[in-house]
Amino acid sequence: EVQLVETGGGLIQPGGSLRLSCAASGFTVSSNYMSWVRQAPGKGLEWVSVIYSGGSTYYADSVKGRFTISRDNSKNTLYLQMNSLRAEDTAVYYCARGTYYYDSSGYQHPNYFDYWGQGTLVTVSS
Amino acid sequence: QSVLTQPPSVSAAPGQKVTISCSGSSSNIGNNYVSWYQQLPGTAPKLLIYDNNKRPSGIPDRFSGSKSGTSATLGITGLQTGDEADYYCGTWDSSLSVYVVFGGGTKLTVL
Repeated sequence: EVQLVETGGGLIQPGGSLRLSCAASGFTVSSNYMSWVRQAPGKGLEWVSVIYSGGSTYYADSVKGRFTISRDNSKNTLYLQMNSLRAEDTAVYYCARGTYYYDSSGYQHPNYFDYWGQGTLVTVSS
Repeated sequence: QSVLTQPPSVSAAPGQKVTISCSGSSSNIGNNYVSWYQQLPGTAPKLLIYDNNKRPSGIPDRFSGSKSGTSATLGITGLQTGDEADYYCGTWDSSLSVYVVFGGGTKLTVL
């Protein structure tokens, strides 16, 4: 059974740092596209970051240069290091397994998220 | 402002049918697969529809998806009170430096 369990959220002051973890079971993190998606209180979903199976990483403009996605293959765990946190980073952070498809020209494109964790709340406030 | 446009809310009575629209452009919905997610109150999103119209194992056939041009639609028949949730559409946008874009979400109320 596929399971994703996030930990590491909490209350942090503006400018502080926090590291989120997402422990996976039932599949291998390093063989999949893994993302972080966040949801501010009362708001919609926002994609934050992805790490491809090959190790390439990408970020939303809103977090570029402040957040770092990584994984530990030995622990089958995904991470999100968040630095220089701002009030607008306050949200529930979900890790999710992403999928992809190939178009008619053979190019690979992102597709849907088939499994999500339960989320961890990050509150940035003084 | 979301790249994909959804109505903020829809409502219908139990047993009735409802549709939720998701409008985009040629750079996203028009040329890519659409997925739909259900988020029950206080829970994580769950995949409901993928590749425009496919249902994951365990999703009842009361839920359906379709796509035409730059718009997609989620349909729910035989509404149940347990279907009250937020519904999000998602896809890839080739014009943006993002992995996936989501609609703003639609709150379904079963009266």
